[in-house]
Amino acid sequence: DAGVIQSPRHEVTEMGQEVTLRCKPISGHNSLFWYRQTMMRGLELLIYFNNNVPIDDSGMPEDRFSAKMPNASFSTLKIQPSEPRDSAVYFCASRPNRGETQYFGPGTRLLVL
Amino acid sequence: ILNVEQSPQSLHVQEGDSTNFTCSFPSSNFYALHWYRWETAKSPEALFVMTLNGDEKKKGRISATLNTKEGYSYLYIKGSQPEDSATYLCAYSNFGNEKLTFGTGTRLTIIP
Repeated sequence: DAGVIQSPRHEVTEMGQEVTLRCKPISGHNSLFWYRQTMMRGLELLIYFNNNVPIDDSGMPEDRFSAKMPNASFSTLKIQPSEPRDSAVYFCASRPNRGETQYFGPGTRLLVL
Repeated sequence: ILNVEQSPQSLHVQEGDSTNFTCSFPSSNFYALHWYRWETAKSPEALFVMTLNGDEKKKGRISATLNTKEGYSYLYIKGSQPEDSATYLCAYSNFGNEKLTFGTGTRLTIIP
């Protein structure tokens, strides 16, 4: 398996633009997680899905952030409009079942100017 | 303990020496404790998942123990090598909430 795949790997955009981050989880994994890593707050969970259903989005910073998982092999995290304070590394992770380890993708490094 | 705490925040160890660090977590409703190794500019890599009190896991020169009653886990590295330099994260989950709560990590630097 290729592992968790994220795209793009790097994104530079201007404030106000829409940003879409993509994730393909490991085949057969039932859960998918979106994390954000910043120097100030470390690794924080934004939202997670079980069997394509959003379970907990309490970590989503505000309404500008939205996430979807239309099927078991694809998820998106969208920021609209983007702001400079959204600059961070965004990780996607997937997990086979509860209690098992999460496998992280390579991350998307986002810079909003 | 209400959150996951890791100590020390950073550590410098001479190559060849052994070292260990701590993860503290809430002991109530415990479900699982995870350890990850995170190299700079890469993504976190899973080391261990532990669920039972008294669990001990080993992977090469790295091992971990778990005490769920008092809420702590130790990670040990024997005979440190330069490639062990990384941030080591622990993460905890409880029965009420399956998401992981991560600590801020211990940044380990091995001095050649």
